[in-house]
Amino acid sequence: QVTLKESGPVLAKPTETLTLTCSVSGFSLSSSRMGVSWIRQPPGKALEWLAHIFSSDEKSYSTSLKNRLTISKDTSKSQVVLTMTNVDPLDTATYYCARTPRVITIRGGFGYFDLWGRGTLVTVSS
Amino acid sequence: SYELTQPPSVSVSPGQTARITCSGDKLGDKYASWYQQKPGQSPVLVIYQDSKRPSGIPERFSASNSGNTATLTISGTQAMDEADYYCLAWDSSTVLFGGGTKLTVL
Repeated sequence: QVTLKESGPVLAKPTETLTLTCSVSGFSLSSSRMGVSWIRQPPGKALEWLAHIFSSDEKSYSTSLKNRLTISKDTSKSQVVLTMTNVDPLDTATYYCARTPRVITIRGGFGYFDLWGRGTLVTVSS
Repeated sequence: SYELTQPPSVSVSPGQTARITCSGDKLGDKYASWYQQKPGQSPVLVIYQDSKRPSGIPERFSASNSGNTATLTISGTQAMDEADYYCLAWDSSTVLFGGGTKLTVL
């Protein structure tokens, strides 16, 4: 059974660095063409993709947030970590991690989010 | 920057067909996937690679992607299909969600 579980602080203060951990089970972070993504959702608002990392260690970031985000993985611990610097109340959201298969076709490569964690709500407030 | 546009809301009667659109410049050149999210729950993948249905997703869910529009179609809509639906576009330079559509079954 594949599971993903997010963990991190419930509350963060403005300007702090936020560290979120996604612990996975039922699949390996070294599996070919498999990755993990982080997605967030402010209360009552839409989903927003933040970053992903694949088994090859290829990483990609949201253009609007790339200067503040770092994604990494520890295959031996089955964990993917996202850090976000200089947080602001606008970063208040439920943060999800999702398993991300990568598919290669004649049109190029793409991914999608086939299994999601339950999410962790992070509130940024002084 | 690239944008994906979804209608904020769509209403459908039980048993009828619901269509939810997702529009973006040359969206058909990218790969689309669709996610269902019920209140208080995590999103669930219902369509990937434009039109493929994951195992466990009912056959009444189908989709297409061509030109500037991707469309999610729910045939014989049931009350349990009431949810928010999000499209996602993915290519070598884009990973982007649409703004979401609230599907009401009434």
